[in-house]
Amino acid sequence: AQSVTQPDIHITVSEGASLELRCNYSYGATPYLFWYVQSPGQGLQLLLKYFSGDTLVQGIKGFEAEFKRSQSSFNLRKPSVHWSDAAEYFCAVVLTGGGNKLTFGTGTQLKVEL
Amino acid sequence: GAGVSQSPSNKVTEKGKDVELRCDPISGHTALYWYRQSLGQGLEFLIYFQGNSAPDKSGLPSDRFSAERTGGSVSTLTIQRTQQEDSAVYLCASSPGSLSTEAFFGQGTRLTVV
Repeated sequence: AQSVTQPDIHITVSEGASLELRCNYSYGATPYLFWYVQSPGQGLQLLLKYFSGDTLVQGIKGFEAEFKRSQSSFNLRKPSVHWSDAAEYFCAVVLTGGGNKLTFGTGTQLKVEL
Repeated sequence: GAGVSQSPSNKVTEKGKDVELRCDPISGHTALYWYRQSLGQGLEFLIYFQGNSAPDKSGLPSDRFSAERTGGSVSTLTIQRTQQEDSAVYLCASSPGSLSTEAFFGQGTRLTVV
């Protein structure tokens, strides 16, 4: 079945440390890929997206993500985490063969220790 | 409006009652999604409208759930005979079209069934 997986439910990092959140998809073709963030009491905000071209994409708030076709992955990274980055992060895909439906992973809750 | 608007922001209802949740998408957006987010869970896809095409209802959990989109704009999600397990935040999102698939989210309606 076509799906998007975020293997880590919770991650805790120290402020200033680097961060990598994992996302894998199961799909025959390259989907459109997204990362969204949901801060406490806030709506979902788009961090970055990948449609085609350069496999390393830059987003807002200093985040980046790299699409690796061979690994069916689209991991989110940040070199130095700030306390304000504590939030829930969702990877999402558009399965272009599935009527362009936007499908989300189960999310990763990020905790930042000061 | 400037963004996706959902109403009410909070709804408390008694078990067995029907509820209607409203979503006003961004003007001109042809795609509209409904998702459900339960406590500690990811975003569960419910239904997707794209232009004049038949909606993708594959995520509706039971026949108590229905949605309509009038005039390609406002959408209403109706839950009949509500159950306690229906308690969740219901999120609406819209996007400009089937290929430009960045979705913009509303703040959600928090539904509590008592």
